[in-house]
Amino acid sequence: GENVEQHPSTLSVQEGDSAVIKCTYSDSASNYFPWYKQELGKRPQLIIDIRSNVGEKKDQRIAVTLNKTAKHFSLHITETQPEDSAVYFCAAIPTNTGNQFYFGTGTSLTVIP
Amino acid sequence: ETGVTQTPRHLVMGMTNKKSLKCEQHLGHNAMYWYKQSAKKPLELMFVYNFKEQTENNSVPSRFSPECPNSSHLFLHLHTLQPEDSALYLCASSQREIGTGELFFGEGSRLTVL
Repeated sequence: GENVEQHPSTLSVQEGDSAVIKCTYSDSASNYFPWYKQELGKRPQLIIDIRSNVGEKKDQRIAVTLNKTAKHFSLHITETQPEDSAVYFCAAIPTNTGNQFYFGTGTSLTVIP
Repeated sequence: ETGVTQTPRHLVMGMTNKKSLKCEQHLGHNAMYWYKQSAKKPLELMFVYNFKEQTENNSVPSRFSPECPNSSHLFLHLHTLQPEDSALYLCASSQREIGTGELFFGEGSRLTVL
């Protein structure tokens, strides 16, 4: 099955700096890559996603890049703010598994004011 | 209430107890899921139901028993659990499409097994 690795497990940045979280996957059949944000004590929520026919997608201060050849994708957060502090999960979904989401282990991001 | 609702939010049980977790979704989705979230581990998929039919059971021990009476409700029946089963159990729903479909999560049920 699919194996998703996520790094780093923890990340601290100064407010206003950028944060980058990286994920790799193993199954070349994966074609959908969402990112979820989970604030302390809250539910995970989708913040951005990318499909395999696109190399980059941006939504205000967040962006995701995908390199299908290398099987890795990354989340970029620019001009970080304290409210960006949360755990971020990447996921990969292979086409042949329908709706089977394979999640990474999560990155705990702390933005220091 | 809209979205995905889970009850109870917190549950403490002994190893010999029987309890159930409940999930209800008000989004009109056709797929529902149970995930287990433990510290420093990926979200672990436990069960998937599509149109009330169970389609995935990821080698989950039989002490966890799911039930999906209709496409809006999902239960997780718990029986003779172990302390290592203590975790946050998240319910989610989606509109099933091959390879896509955003997961909408509930707030989770925090389970502690003594």
